[in-house]
Amino acid sequence: GAGVSQSPSNKVTEKGKDVELRCDPISGHTALYWYRQSLGQGLEFLIYFQGNSAPDKSGLPSDRFSAERTGGSVSTLTIQRTQQEDSAVYLCASSSGLAGEQYFGPGTRLTVT
Amino acid sequence: GQQLNQSPQSMFIQEGEDVSMNCTSSSIFNTWLWYKQDPGEGPVLLIALYKAGELTSNGRLTAQFGITRKDSFLNISASIPSDVGIYFCAGPTTSGTYKYIFGTGTRLKVLA
Repeated sequence: GAGVSQSPSNKVTEKGKDVELRCDPISGHTALYWYRQSLGQGLEFLIYFQGNSAPDKSGLPSDRFSAERTGGSVSTLTIQRTQQEDSAVYLCASSSGLAGEQYFGPGTRLTVT
Repeated sequence: GQQLNQSPQSMFIQEGEDVSMNCTSSSIFNTWLWYKQDPGEGPVLLIALYKAGELTSNGRLTAQFGITRKDSFLNISASIPSDVGIYFCAGPTTSGTYKYIFGTGTRLKVLA
């Protein structure tokens, strides 16, 4: 079966440009997460979507970061006016319930030059 | 805030050896998850633990939920080259059962 997919796999952008990262969760999963992983580090929670509830945006590092989830499925993470410190791997995960068993996509490696 | 400390940070072992790693916190956790991340991939769930004292196996992997609920252990028996990767522990934060924090990982390298 199809797992979580993310696109693009790699993105190189110039400082100051906006970028959009896409996540397609596992079909039927109601929960969707975005994480950021800097080189050699663990995973930093960014945002959580659950069904039609208001998302938990408490992990977004600044107002340059935003995310939406359309139709309870595909999600887009947008970073405006990118900075070099935004360079990282952005991981998306989805889950079917409250048990916490999240399934991750392969990530998008973002490099801001 | 809550933190998960993993040790060792990295380790080199010979193929065939057993491996032990742990995850500790100053806070109590009600769930422990263990993930493995291969280079260029997202983490893959290995084992989930939901009860203090629980011991669960998945093939050559065995994980335990510490009785104090502040730690968890992962053991790999008879390691093979494909065990190489980064192993993360994760647990739910106090602010919500859906929000998880991750440890900084244990990097495992297996020498053939």
